[in-house]
This record gives sequence, structure tokens and C-alpha cells, in this order.
Amino acid sequence: QAQLVHSGAEVKKPGASVRVSCKASGYTFTGFYMHWVRQAPGQGLEWLGWINPDTGDTTYAQKFRGRVTMTRDTSIDTAYLELSSLSSDDTAIYYCARGRIDRSDFWGQGTLVTVSS
Amino acid sequence: SYVLTQAPSVSVAPGQTARITCGGSNIGTKRVNWYQQKAGQAPELVVYDDRDRPSGIPERFSGSNSENTATLTISRVEGGDEADYHCQVWDGDSDHWVFGGGTKLTVL
Repeated sequence: QAQLVHSGAEVKKPGASVRVSCKASGYTFTGFYMHWVRQAPGQGLEWLGWINPDTGDTTYAQKFRGRVTMTRDTSIDTAYLELSSLSSDDTAIYYCARGRIDRSDFWGQGTLVTVSS
Repeated sequence: SYVLTQAPSVSVAPGQTARITCGGSNIGTKRVNWYQQKAGQAPELVVYDDRDRPSGIPERFSGSNSENTATLTISRVEGGDEADYHCQVWDGDSDHWVFGGGTKLTVL
């Protein structure tokens, strides 16, 4: 059974960076895109971008370009999201979501990132 | 950039039909996906490519898409359907996903 397991909650100070991991199991990691989506408290969903775990190719939402980096380690079937220059507006749950380029069929449970001084 | 518009909330009595809409310019030319998100949980795909259902999703969930509006229809609504529903498209021009703002379905 497919699973996506996130790293634990993070608390960061403004200006810092955060790295969130998403470990895949139960399916061929390189066979699906991995998207990253966030949800601020009480708000809707916001897409950050995708990585193709097979090739390492990435596409980032324009809003986050220059601040976001998506990588993967195929030896341990894990995808990573790094977001830099954090502000309080980045406080959110960050989800990885497996799928195709145009949709996701399965989401992880998310990592809460809190940015506070 | 492409924009999707959803009503913030919809209320329906048990056993009735809920219709949740997603508006966008010529959205009928795009493939719309719908995600259900129950309180405290991750989103779950309930309809993809306008009208198809993933395995395990009840037939009560259906979708349509035409011109400037896509619709998720939930027939014979149950208490367990209470959730936020998010529409999503892939904008091929920008290679970006776009989400609607989400609609909270309340079962009275």
C-alpha cells in the first residue's frame, strides 16, 4: 500500500530556512511526479511546484522562485522541499502529493512549519 | 495567471443533493480535479478529469464541466460528506497547478 511519510513539525525564526522530507513506500518512487502543496491556517491550498523523481527535473510556482528548492534521493525514495527566507506568512502545513503532472492521487499527512520570532 | 472561483460555503440537508461549483475562464477546455478534505486530514482525490472517480469513491460523487463552470455533485448527502472541497486544474500554458479557494460543505 502506497504511503508518504513526512518529517516532523518544525519551528523556525524569520529569515531562516526549512527542509521538509517526504519518504515514499509501497510504490515505484520514480514512476510518479511529486508535488508540494501548502495550506496556511484556515486557508485554501497553494501549490509550490513539482519534482520528477526519475529525472530530477523541477517546476516551481512563480511566487516561490528563488526561495524554493525541490530535490530527491532515489536511494532512499525520499523527496525534499527547502524553503528559504521564511516569514510568518510561510506558517502552514506542507504536503507532498504523488501523482501525474496534472493531478495528484495520493497525499501525505503533511508537516507543520511554524515561523515565529 | 489563471483564477478559479469557489463559493466559501454550501449547506445541504442529509439525503439531498449538494452542488459545488468552480468558475474559471473557459474552464470547460481544461481537466478539473476535485479534492475532499475532512477536518484535520490531508486532501483526497474524489473526481478527476472532470467526471471520473478513483477506485473506492462512491458513485454519489460526480462531476461535470462546461464553458466557464465545473460542478461537483454529491447525491444523497451523508454526514460523513461534511468537508472542504477544492477544485484544481493544471494550466498547461504556465505548467502550474491552480486551486480554487475551497468550499466548505455543511450537512445540516
